[in-house]
Amino acid sequence: GAVVSQHPSRVICKSGTSVKIECRSLDFQATTMFWYRQFPKKSLMLMATSNEGSKATYEQGVEKDKFLINHASLTLSTLTVTSAHPEDSSFYICSARDSGRGYGYTFGSGTRLTVV
Amino acid sequence: DAKTTQPPSMDCAEGRAANLPCNHSTISGNEYVYWYRQIHSQGPQYIIHGLKNNETNEMASLIITEDRKSSTLILPHATLRDTAVYYCIVRASTYNNNDMRFGAGTRLTVKP
Repeated sequence: GAVVSQHPSRVICKSGTSVKIECRSLDFQATTMFWYRQFPKKSLMLMATSNEGSKATYEQGVEKDKFLINHASLTLSTLTVTSAHPEDSSFYICSARDSGRGYGYTFGSGTRLTVV
Repeated sequence: DAKTTQPPSMDCAEGRAANLPCNHSTISGNEYVYWYRQIHSQGPQYIIHGLKNNETNEMASLIITEDRKSSTLILPHATLRDTAVYYCIVRASTYNNNDMRFGAGTRLTVKP
C-alpha cells in the first residue's frame, strides 16, 4: 500500500517549452502533496506544498509563475515547468502522506527533466 | 536551519552491520526521528521512525539515546543493494501534513 506514481520518469524538452509532471497517489487520498527538486550529488530541496482545492505554498526563492502546481483532486497533483531553460534541468520528486499510515511520507520515483 | 548532522560518507563490508549515526541535539519533545534512504536516481524510501524507544522492523533497527540528542540506524547485515544515501530527519508528530525536509545525508557504500 501507499504507492505514489510519478509520470513521466524521464523527459527531454526544448528550451522555452513547458513540461507537465504528474504525481498520483494510487491507493490512498492525499490532501497534501510535496514537490522537491534535486540537483546532481545534492540533497532534496523542498519547492512547494500542494494543497487539494487551494493554492500551493511555495518555498522562498521558488518562482510560482514558473513552477505551476495544480492539486485538483485528492489523488493527483501536477507540476508544470513553464518556459523551461537548461538551468531547470533537474530531478523532480513528489511525495504524499497517507493519513491512514502515521509514519510519514511516500515518495514518487522521480522525473528526470533535461532542457536542451 | 539544519536540525540533524550526519557524516557525509561511510563504508561497510557486505554481510556486516552498518551503523549510521545522526546527531539531533536540538530535537524537541514532540519531534520524531525518521530515516529514509535514496538509491541512485530513485525517490526516497522510508526505513523506520521513532520517538524515544528503540524500534525495529524488517529493514533496520533504530537506537535513540536516552537524552534523544542522537540516534543510530542499524542495518544488521548490509548487502550491496543497501548502497544509498541515508537521510535522518526530525519532524514533529506523525499525524499532520507538515513538510519533510532533507539534510545532506550519509552516502553509505557497501563493499564486497
